Amino acid sequence: GNSVTQMEGPVTLSEEAFLTINCTYTATGYPSLFWYVQYPGEGLQLLLKATKADDKGSNKGFEATYRKETTSFHLEKGSVQVSDSAVYFCALWMDSSYKLIFGSGTRLLVRP
Amino acid sequence: GAVVSQHPSWVICKSGTSVKIECRSLDFQATTMFWYRQFPKQSLMLMATSNEGSKATYEQGVEKDKFLINHASLTLSTLTVTSAHPEDSSFYICSARDVQDRASYNEQFFGPGTRLTVL
Repeated sequence: GNSVTQMEGPVTLSEEAFLTINCTYTATGYPSLFWYVQYPGEGLQLLLKATKADDKGSNKGFEATYRKETTSFHLEKGSVQVSDSAVYFCALWMDSSYKLIFGSGTRLLVRP
Repeated sequence: GAVVSQHPSWVICKSGTSVKIECRSLDFQATTMFWYRQFPKQSLMLMATSNEGSKATYEQGVEKDKFLINHASLTLSTLTVTSAHPEDSSFYICSARDVQDRASYNEQFFGPGTRLTVL
């Protein structure tokens, strides 16, 4: 079946460090891929998305490239800020299943 | 655009009572809404898919008589937790799709969540 695997957290970084959160997926077909961010006590916000292979999603300094050959959608940011501290979810959507499938989430803590 | 609201944002109730949670799409029509449950420090678990004007589709293991879903209009879906017990305490999140917007048709827009505590 379809699934998403994320690196386990928490990830603790100093401000201005480089961030990578790994995400790989398993899917029969061609899913759309998403990164969502959840701040404490809140719902999810879409961070970025990519709908086909080699697409790069980007927003607020975050980037992720849809790599079909490695079935990956790793999240990166060149210089994190304290305000980026949150939980990040990788997810895929398949029209055939009509479901958004989430990874387990990765908690990021950025220290000043 | 594409804002989803939930009400209430938090609720505390006694065991055995029922609680209704509302999910509204504020600036678009949502033919489909989704209800999720999230336990502390865990991912979201899809409970059911709610389609306007028809019965909800529940995920395996979710009790449909326990979690009643009504999607009576294109902007409102409700989740009623019936005869709530402490184990129903959780963070409930809804989402909606704006199928009329081709740019975002495969996105889901999430509400801010409702924290339910059953005493």
